[in-house]
Amino acid sequence: DVKVTQSSRYLVKRTGEKVFLECVQDMDHENMFWYRQDPGLGLRLIYFSYDVKMKEKGDIPEGYSVSREKKERFSLILESASTNQTSMYLCASSLYPGGVYNEQFFGPGTRLTVL
Amino acid sequence: AQSVTQLGSHVSVSEGALVLLRCNYSSSVPPYLFWYVQYPNQGLQLLLKYTSAATLVKGINGFEAEFKKSETSFHLTKPSAHMSDAAEYFCAVSGGSQGNLIFGKGTKLSVKP
Repeated sequence: DVKVTQSSRYLVKRTGEKVFLECVQDMDHENMFWYRQDPGLGLRLIYFSYDVKMKEKGDIPEGYSVSREKKERFSLILESASTNQTSMYLCASSLYPGGVYNEQFFGPGTRLTVL
Repeated sequence: AQSVTQLGSHVSVSEGALVLLRCNYSSSVPPYLFWYVQYPNQGLQLLLKYTSAATLVKGINGFEAEFKKSETSFHLTKPSAHMSDAAEYFCAVSGGSQGNLIFGKGTKLSVKP
């Protein structure tokens, strides 16, 4: 079974802090994704990566950056956390882009609160 | 562009009743379609997927979905709801930029005893 792990389940940070959310997958997947989930808004794509050192902006990249130095690890960075970034953050991975291989496997999520 | 609409942000059923969660999609190419379930404070788990092999797709936990091209629908059903089915359900279609998934806004299912 594919396993996607996220470094923290719950995180509390202060406004202006730099925040790192880490995600690791163990099945040699090419693609990795970061979403944020808010009530009534569903899942919104922040960034994704289809290869090491490659990244693409999703629908809501403002205020975020990402890093993928190794295939199995994809980090989401909040350069200066703000209260409107309080949310559930979900990491996912998939084998390849396109078609059935787009089945995504999700981590357990990190609930981030910015005070 | 691909899109997904889930009708009803909240659905409530009695235990033992039929579950019907609606999903309509828009796609300019033959779609691949997915249903995911999210239990409280957890990530998303794949329930089932349509990959054009069969229009009626069976998934885990007794759920199934039928692909209807003429109606551009992929509704999720379960004949008899169980308390453990209470969760949020997301429909998704393949085909965003780079072939990503496009998710609906989700339907929260409540099951009354």
